[in-house]
Amino acid sequence: GQQLNQSPQSMFIQEGEDVSMNCTSSSIFNTWLWYKQDPGEGPVLLIALYKAGELTSNGRLTAQFGITRKDSFLNISASIPSDVGIYFCAGYNTNAGKSTFGDGTTLTVKP
Amino acid sequence: GAGVSQSPRYKVAKRGQDVALRCDPISGHVSLFWYQQALGQGPEFLTYFQNEAQLDKSGLPSDRFFAERPEGSVSTLKIQRTQQEDSAVYLCASSLDGRATYEQYFGPGTRLTVT
Repeated sequence: GQQLNQSPQSMFIQEGEDVSMNCTSSSIFNTWLWYKQDPGEGPVLLIALYKAGELTSNGRLTAQFGITRKDSFLNISASIPSDVGIYFCAGYNTNAGKSTFGDGTTLTVKP
Repeated sequence: GAGVSQSPRYKVAKRGQDVALRCDPISGHVSLFWYQQALGQGPEFLTYFQNEAQLDKSGLPSDRFFAERPEGSVSTLKIQRTQQEDSAVYLCASSLDGRATYEQYFGPGTRLTVT
């Protein structure tokens, strides 16, 4: 089936630093999604990307949909302690009607 | 708030027992999804409903897993004769519009531990 490779698996950074994580796939998706999951909670959608090359921001978060439609990255600028959590990428295809998730990047922010 | 709720939040079952996990989606949401999330991994799709119709059950790992949404709102995921490999968090998600099913709102999940 479709597989998403998400990296890095974990990151330990100082408050105020910028963060970058990415996701690659062997298959093409027509929508890329980035979620954040806090302990004991379900994932929350952060950003959705709809076309190749698209660059979208949501506050301190910026994500891009790769030109090949097989990859995406997420940047977080000026990290703060509440950014701690697990970030998941997901690819979605309309004809399949379901999302395929990566295995997540665990972010730890040291004050 | 009126988010997706799931119950129970935690369930411990002895191997071989049957379990039923409940999902209350956001009122008026057409689509409902079940996912299985193993420790340290991302959610994996199990099944999808549009109203009461189960349109995709390709992710259900075996015939021990069964899901229903008889009135198009509340859904139940049932696992028969539980095995240790069934231990995971089971997430439910709903979305308003069946055509934009990527805009999913997740519940907090039910953590199932099979001993």
